[in-house]
Amino acid sequence: GENVEQHPSTLSVQEGDSAVIKCTYSDSASNYFPWYKQELGKRPQLIIDIRSNVGEKKDQRIAVTLNKTAKHFSLHITETQPEDSAVYFCASLTPDSWGKFQFGAGTQVVVTP
Amino acid sequence: NAGVTQTPKFQVLKTGQSMTLQCAQDMNHEYMSWYRQDPGMGLRLIHYSVGAGITDQGEVPNGYNVSRSTTEDFPLRLLSAAPSQTSVYFCASSYGKISGANVLTFGAGSRLTVL
Repeated sequence: GENVEQHPSTLSVQEGDSAVIKCTYSDSASNYFPWYKQELGKRPQLIIDIRSNVGEKKDQRIAVTLNKTAKHFSLHITETQPEDSAVYFCASLTPDSWGKFQFGAGTQVVVTP
Repeated sequence: NAGVTQTPKFQVLKTGQSMTLQCAQDMNHEYMSWYRQDPGMGLRLIHYSVGAGITDQGEVPNGYNVSRSTTEDFPLRLLSAAPSQTSVYFCASSYGKISGANVLTFGAGSRLTVL
């Protein structure tokens, strides 16, 4: 089945700098890749997603890029702010096993002022 | 809309006890699922359902049971609790495959401790 690896597990950045989190997936048939943000003690919430027919998607300070050949996708956060501190999870979904979302292990991002 | 409602928020069990975590959604979502979250292991899928009367196993189904008799409710049953089931449990739902809407809406979580 699908396997998603997420790196790094922790990321410390200075406020204003950029943060990049990378996920690698194993099933070339995967076609949907969401990113969820989970603040301390809260539920995960979708921040951005991308489908396999698109190479890049942006929403203000966040962007996701997808490299289907290398089977990896990345989350980019620019001009980081303290409120970006959270755990970020990537996930993938394959059409043949729709419903079986496979999540990465998560990245703890700490933005220091 | 209340969204996805989970109860209880906290529960302490003794080894061998059984219990049910409740999940209800009022968004007419076809898809519902249960995840467990453990430190350093992300969100792992336990069971999911693509519609009333249809359930399937996820990555870590052992020790858990589910049923989906209505569109709104998707309870998770622990048959005989074990310390390894100490975790935070999240219920999540979405509109479903046919609609093409894959965005998951999560409940607030249920923290379970098994002694």
